[in-house]
Amino acid sequence: GAVVSQHPSWVICKSGTSVKIECRSLDFQATTMFWYRQFPKQSLMLMATSNEGSKATYEQGVEKDKFLINHASLTLSTLTVTSAHPEDSSFYICSASSPMGTEAFFGQGTRLTVV
Amino acid sequence: KQEVTQIPAALSVPEGENLVLNCSFTDSAIYNLQWFRQDPGKGLTSLLLIQSSQREQTSGRLNASLDKSSGRSTLYIAASQPGDSATYLCAVRAAAGNKLTFGGGTRVLVKP
Repeated sequence: GAVVSQHPSWVICKSGTSVKIECRSLDFQATTMFWYRQFPKQSLMLMATSNEGSKATYEQGVEKDKFLINHASLTLSTLTVTSAHPEDSSFYICSASSPMGTEAFFGQGTRLTVV
Repeated sequence: KQEVTQIPAALSVPEGENLVLNCSFTDSAIYNLQWFRQDPGKGLTSLLLIQSSQREQTSGRLNASLDKSSGRSTLYIAASQPGDSATYLCAVRAAAGNKLTFGGGTRVLVKP
């Protein structure tokens, strides 16, 4: 299957700082990528849909000014957690749709800890 | 609004026993359904993808069935092994390119 690489795999940051997470599709072009958040022992919660060359579509309740998404190329989407707080600590996972939009491939996830 | 439910939430079986994981969805108008595996602290690995026109898909010891009209899918894992211990998630897609709606997952423990 196709490969989606997410970086970093884990990060620790201080409260008030910003953290950027990258999601790359390595062997295919992805016009659409998705960002999820996962709390311990829970399923994935969709945060936003990232569309190449246009603004991201955020799910209800997700602060777009706090979670900045940029999808500047067909192989890269970034999620920036701005002014991070301890409650932002979570596991963040991205996925990219296959070129036909029929299948989803996921990154390895990023464990964010805000101290 | 599509809702996806997985029962049971957790399952523990002895090695060698067959596993049966259930997934149900409320809106039968789906494009396809995917089963994933997630190991602790890791991302998701796609196991099987079933298009809405298909009844089942097989890969090795894994077999997934789909009954779209009743809103159900079942993942069968034959002759379970300790390495099968993980969380299994099902997700449905309403249309090509659309987001996935996930179930809550089933945590599986296969005891040696």
